[in-house]
Amino acid sequence: QKEVEQDPGPLSVPEGAIVSLNCTYSNSAFQYFMWYRQYSRKGPELLMYTYSSGNKEDGRFTAQVDKSSKYISLFIRDSQPSDSATYLCAMTSTSGSARQLTFGSGTQLTVLP
Amino acid sequence: DGGITQSPKYLFRKEGQNVTLSCEQNLNHDAMYWYRQDPGQGLRLIYYSQIVNDFQKGDIAEGYSVSREKKESFPLTVTSAQKNPTAFYLCASSENDRVKQYFGPGTRLTVT
Repeated sequence: QKEVEQDPGPLSVPEGAIVSLNCTYSNSAFQYFMWYRQYSRKGPELLMYTYSSGNKEDGRFTAQVDKSSKYISLFIRDSQPSDSATYLCAMTSTSGSARQLTFGSGTQLTVLP
Repeated sequence: DGGITQSPKYLFRKEGQNVTLSCEQNLNHDAMYWYRQDPGQGLRLIYYSQIVNDFQKGDIAEGYSVSREKKESFPLTVTSAQKNPTAFYLCASSENDRVKQYFGPGTRLTVT
């Protein structure tokens, strides 16, 4: 079983829809959670960063962490065609000086105009 | 502009040849990382370096080598010992002991 599971999709939604992207994980030591957006043939871009449990909002994006369920989510409101990309979750623990991130496999999202 | 540059964007090599991928950053970050990305898979860590002249193996270091002679540079050599070298290679950097990693644009390596 992988440490981080992410539904690969593909996920297609109409423009303006609310998108929900999710990851589950098994390592209870994970404390830092990130979402990256990756356009085709490009490097990942850090989108959201949260520490421990709770919500964080940035414009149309909301990241949620539920440590009791080992479940994290990224919500995109009023989705736009420019949001079409692969979304990767990533996480790491507080222990160790090397911040080795563990990534999900990514969810491919297409927002249709 | 501050950022991470990787070159070349596309690289083609024959089997049995070593090849070196370049990664440079001007963010003044201490830590640098190399990842490999295959279709349908998450990023896997090859090597990382927290300081000049020091580096550590990641999860899939076999068949790869790195050097860190300058803070801003972290080149990756894909050797002929790497059994499946065709992949998308990503370099990243972070402030030391910081969680957020920032990625370069990647190098797509094809070995035939």
